[in-house]
Amino acid sequence: KNEVEQSPQNLTAQEGEFITINCSYSVGISALHWLQQHPGGGIVSLFMLSSGKKKHGRLIATINIQEKHSSLHITASHPRDSAVYICAVPTLNYGGSQGNLIFGKGTKLSVKP
Amino acid sequence: DTAVSQTPKYLVTQMGNDKSIKCEQNLGHDTMYWYKQDSKKFLKIMFSYNNKELIINETVPNRFSPKSPDKAHLNLHINSLELGDSAVYFCASSQDVGYGYTFGSGTRLTVV
Repeated sequence: KNEVEQSPQNLTAQEGEFITINCSYSVGISALHWLQQHPGGGIVSLFMLSSGKKKHGRLIATINIQEKHSSLHITASHPRDSAVYICAVPTLNYGGSQGNLIFGKGTKLSVKP
Repeated sequence: DTAVSQTPKYLVTQMGNDKSIKCEQNLGHDTMYWYKQDSKKFLKIMFSYNNKELIINETVPNRFSPKSPDKAHLNLHINSLELGDSAVYFCASSQDVGYGYTFGSGTRLTVV
Protein backbone atom coordinates (compact mmCIF):
# COMPACT_ATOMS: atom_id res chain seq x y z
CA LYS A 1 0.00 0.00 0.00
CA ASN A 2 1.37 3.37 -1.03
CA GLU A 3 1.90 5.50 2.07
CA VAL A 4 1.40 8.73 0.14
CA GLU A 5 -1.98 9.42 -1.39
CA GLN A 6 -2.73 12.29 -3.72
CA SER A 7 -5.99 13.66 -5.01
CA PRO A 8 -7.26 14.25 -7.53
CA GLN A 9 -5.45 11.97 -9.93
CA ASN A 10 -6.39 14.15 -12.89
CA LEU A 11 -7.47 17.77 -12.92
CA THR A 12 -8.60 19.97 -15.78
CA ALA A 13 -9.04 23.67 -15.17
CA GLN A 14 -9.69 26.83 -17.12
CA GLU A 15 -7.03 29.48 -17.23
CA GLY A 16 -7.30 31.77 -14.23
CA GLU A 17 -8.87 29.22 -11.90
CA PHE A 18 -7.58 28.54 -8.40
CA ILE A 19 -6.15 25.01 -8.19
CA THR A 20 -5.80 22.78 -5.13
CA ILE A 21 -3.99 19.46 -5.05
CA ASN A 22 -4.06 17.40 -1.88
CA CYS A 23 -1.60 14.96 -0.34
CA SER A 24 -2.09 12.68 2.64
CA TYR A 25 0.56 10.47 4.13
CA SER A 26 0.56 7.76 6.73
CA VAL A 27 4.07 7.92 8.16
CA GLY A 28 5.48 10.41 10.61
CA ILE A 29 7.69 12.88 8.79
CA SER A 30 9.67 16.01 9.38
CA ALA A 31 9.40 17.41 5.85
CA LEU A 32 7.33 16.97 2.72
CA HIS A 33 8.27 17.69 -0.87
CA TRP A 34 6.23 18.92 -3.78
CA LEU A 35 7.71 18.18 -7.20
CA GLN A 36 6.65 19.20 -10.68
CA GLN A 37 7.20 16.97 -13.68
CA HIS A 38 6.95 18.82 -16.96
CA PRO A 39 5.35 17.26 -20.04
CA GLY A 40 8.89 16.85 -21.37
CA GLY A 41 9.70 14.63 -18.37
CA GLY A 42 12.04 16.76 -16.27
CA ILE A 43 11.43 16.91 -12.51
CA VAL A 44 11.74 20.12 -10.55
CA SER A 45 11.62 20.42 -6.79
CA LEU A 46 9.02 23.07 -5.93
CA PHE A 47 8.87 23.06 -2.16
CA MET A 48 10.21 21.32 0.87
CA LEU A 49 8.23 22.21 3.95
CA SER A 50 7.94 20.98 7.48
CA SER A 51 5.31 23.33 8.91
CA GLY A 52 2.93 26.10 8.00
CA LYS A 53 3.03 27.57 4.54
CA LYS A 54 5.49 28.45 1.80
CA LYS A 55 4.88 30.67 -1.20
CA HIS A 56 6.76 30.98 -4.45
CA GLY A 57 5.16 33.17 -7.07
CA ARG A 58 1.68 31.81 -7.75
CA LEU A 59 2.38 28.56 -5.93
CA ILE A 60 1.50 28.06 -2.28
CA ALA A 61 2.16 24.93 -0.26
CA THR A 62 0.69 24.24 3.15
CA ILE A 63 1.19 21.40 5.57
CA ASN A 64 -0.55 20.20 8.71
CA ILE A 65 1.81 17.77 10.43
CA GLN A 66 -0.77 16.68 13.01
CA GLU A 67 -3.30 15.77 10.33
CA LYS A 68 -0.61 14.35 8.00
CA HIS A 69 -1.92 16.43 5.14
CA SER A 70 -0.48 18.92 2.67
CA SER A 71 -1.98 20.99 -0.11
CA LEU A 72 -0.49 22.66 -3.15
CA HIS A 73 -2.37 25.67 -4.45
CA ILE A 74 -1.92 27.48 -7.72
CA THR A 75 -3.47 30.93 -8.02
CA ALA A 76 -4.45 32.43 -11.38
CA SER A 77 -3.57 29.19 -13.19
CA HIS A 78 -2.04 29.35 -16.64
CA PRO A 79 -1.61 26.76 -19.40
CA ARG A 80 2.12 26.68 -18.66
CA ASP A 81 1.24 25.23 -15.23
CA SER A 82 0.12 22.05 -17.00
CA ALA A 83 2.27 19.30 -15.55
CA VAL A 84 2.20 16.40 -13.13
CA TYR A 85 2.54 17.46 -9.50
CA ILE A 86 4.01 14.88 -7.17
CA CYS A 87 4.01 14.80 -3.40
CA ALA A 88 6.84 12.94 -1.68
CA VAL A 89 7.83 12.21 1.90
CA PRO A 90 11.00 10.72 3.34
CA THR A 91 10.70 7.38 5.02
CA LEU A 92 11.90 7.00 8.55
CA ASN A 93 14.68 4.51 9.16
CA TYR A 94 14.92 2.41 12.27
CA GLY A 95 16.33 4.80 14.85
CA GLY A 96 14.43 7.75 13.41
CA SER A 97 16.81 9.02 10.76
CA GLN A 98 15.39 10.17 7.43
CA GLY A 99 15.23 7.64 4.65
CA ASN A 100 14.56 7.94 0.98
CA LEU A 101 11.64 9.67 -0.63
CA ILE A 102 8.48 7.75 -1.33
CA PHE A 103 6.22 9.30 -3.88
CA GLY A 104 2.54 9.80 -4.46
CA LYS A 105 1.23 8.74 -7.85
CA GLY A 106 1.00 12.33 -8.99
CA THR A 107 -1.76 14.66 -10.08
CA LYS A 108 -1.92 15.43 -13.78
CA LEU A 109 -3.01 19.04 -14.22
CA SER A 110 -4.19 20.45 -17.53
CA VAL A 111 -4.98 24.14 -17.71
CA LYS A 112 -6.99 25.14 -20.76
CA PRO A 113 -6.72 28.62 -22.27
CA ASP B 1 26.01 24.66 -15.44
CA THR B 2 23.67 21.71 -15.06
CA ALA B 3 23.42 20.69 -11.41
CA VAL B 4 22.62 17.00 -11.96
CA SER B 5 23.41 15.70 -15.41
CA GLN B 6 22.54 12.29 -16.81
CA THR B 7 23.69 10.70 -20.01
CA PRO B 8 22.38 9.53 -22.30
CA LYS B 9 18.97 11.19 -22.46
CA TYR B 10 17.58 8.42 -24.64
CA LEU B 11 18.76 4.84 -24.95
CA VAL B 12 17.29 2.23 -27.25
CA THR B 13 18.80 -1.23 -27.07
CA GLN B 14 18.04 -4.85 -27.70
CA MET B 15 17.15 -7.46 -25.12
CA GLY B 16 20.15 -9.16 -23.61
CA ASN B 17 22.51 -6.23 -24.04
CA ASP B 18 24.44 -4.55 -21.23
CA LYS B 19 24.21 -0.78 -20.90
CA SER B 20 25.23 2.00 -18.53
CA ILE B 21 23.69 5.32 -17.58
CA LYS B 22 25.94 7.97 -16.10
CA CYS B 23 25.10 10.62 -13.53
CA GLU B 24 27.15 13.51 -12.23
CA GLN B 25 26.29 16.28 -9.79
CA ASN B 26 28.22 19.49 -9.18
CA LEU B 27 26.30 20.58 -6.09
CA GLY B 28 28.64 19.11 -3.52
CA HIS B 29 25.86 16.87 -2.24
CA ASP B 30 26.78 13.82 -0.21
CA THR B 31 23.87 11.61 -1.26
CA MET B 32 22.89 10.39 -4.71
CA TYR B 33 19.99 8.25 -5.87
CA TRP B 34 18.61 6.29 -8.77
CA TYR B 35 14.84 6.26 -9.28
CA LYS B 36 12.80 4.33 -11.82
CA GLN B 37 9.62 5.77 -13.30
CA ASP B 38 7.45 3.08 -14.79
CA SER B 39 4.92 3.29 -17.60
CA LYS B 40 2.28 4.43 -15.12
CA LYS B 41 4.55 7.33 -14.19
CA PHE B 42 5.11 6.06 -10.68
CA LEU B 43 8.50 6.95 -9.21
CA LYS B 44 10.30 4.44 -7.02
CA ILE B 45 13.69 4.43 -5.35
CA MET B 46 16.21 1.90 -6.60
CA PHE B 47 19.48 2.82 -4.92
CA SER B 48 20.85 5.43 -2.60
CA TYR B 49 24.53 6.22 -2.03
CA ASN B 50 25.98 8.41 0.68
CA ASN B 51 29.61 9.43 0.25
CA LYS B 52 30.26 6.58 -2.21
CA GLU B 53 28.70 3.98 0.08
CA LEU B 54 25.52 2.11 -0.69
CA ILE B 55 22.89 2.85 1.93
CA ILE B 56 19.68 1.72 0.25
CA ASN B 57 19.18 -1.10 -2.19
CA GLU B 58 15.52 -1.68 -2.74
CA THR B 59 14.16 -4.83 -4.32
CA VAL B 60 15.96 -4.50 -7.61
CA PRO B 61 17.23 -7.40 -9.73
CA ASN B 62 20.93 -8.20 -9.43
CA ARG B 63 21.28 -7.23 -13.09
CA PHE B 64 21.27 -3.62 -11.89
CA SER B 65 24.56 -2.55 -10.36
CA PRO B 66 25.28 0.99 -9.22
CA LYS B 67 28.84 2.26 -9.19
CA SER B 68 30.03 5.35 -7.35
CA PRO B 69 33.66 6.20 -8.16
CA ASP B 70 33.39 9.38 -6.08
CA LYS B 71 30.63 11.24 -4.33
CA ALA B 72 29.89 13.38 -7.40
CA HIS B 73 29.17 10.40 -9.63
CA LEU B 74 26.70 7.55 -9.47
CA ASN B 75 26.48 5.37 -12.55
CA LEU B 76 23.95 2.63 -13.20
CA HIS B 77 24.98 -0.47 -15.08
CA ILE B 78 22.35 -2.90 -16.31
CA ASN B 79 23.20 -6.40 -17.50
CA SER B 80 21.11 -8.65 -19.71
CA LEU B 81 18.45 -6.07 -20.39
CA GLU B 82 14.84 -7.21 -20.42
CA LEU B 83 11.72 -5.70 -21.96
CA GLY B 84 10.42 -4.84 -18.48
CA ASP B 85 13.42 -2.63 -17.86
CA SER B 86 11.98 -0.08 -20.27
CA ALA B 87 11.30 3.01 -18.17
CA VAL B 88 12.62 6.45 -17.40
CA TYR B 89 15.48 6.44 -14.94
CA PHE B 90 16.13 9.52 -12.85
CA CYS B 91 19.26 10.34 -10.97
CA ALA B 92 19.01 12.76 -8.04
CA SER B 93 21.18 14.18 -5.32
CA SER B 94 20.51 15.79 -1.98
CA GLN B 95 22.33 17.62 0.76
CA ASP B 96 21.40 14.81 3.11
CA VAL B 97 19.05 11.89 2.93
CA GLY B 98 15.55 13.35 2.92
CA TYR B 99 16.51 16.97 2.22
CA GLY B 100 17.09 19.33 -0.71
CA TYR B 101 16.64 17.05 -3.69
CA THR B 102 17.74 17.98 -7.20
CA PHE B 103 16.81 15.69 -10.05
CA GLY B 104 18.51 14.96 -13.33
CA SER B 105 16.49 15.26 -16.52
CA GLY B 106 16.00 11.52 -16.82
CA THR B 107 17.10 8.77 -19.21
CA ARG B 108 14.41 7.10 -21.26
CA LEU B 109 15.45 3.49 -21.73
CA THR B 110 13.63 1.44 -24.35
CA VAL B 111 14.43 -2.25 -24.64
CA VAL B 112 13.29 -3.86 -27.88
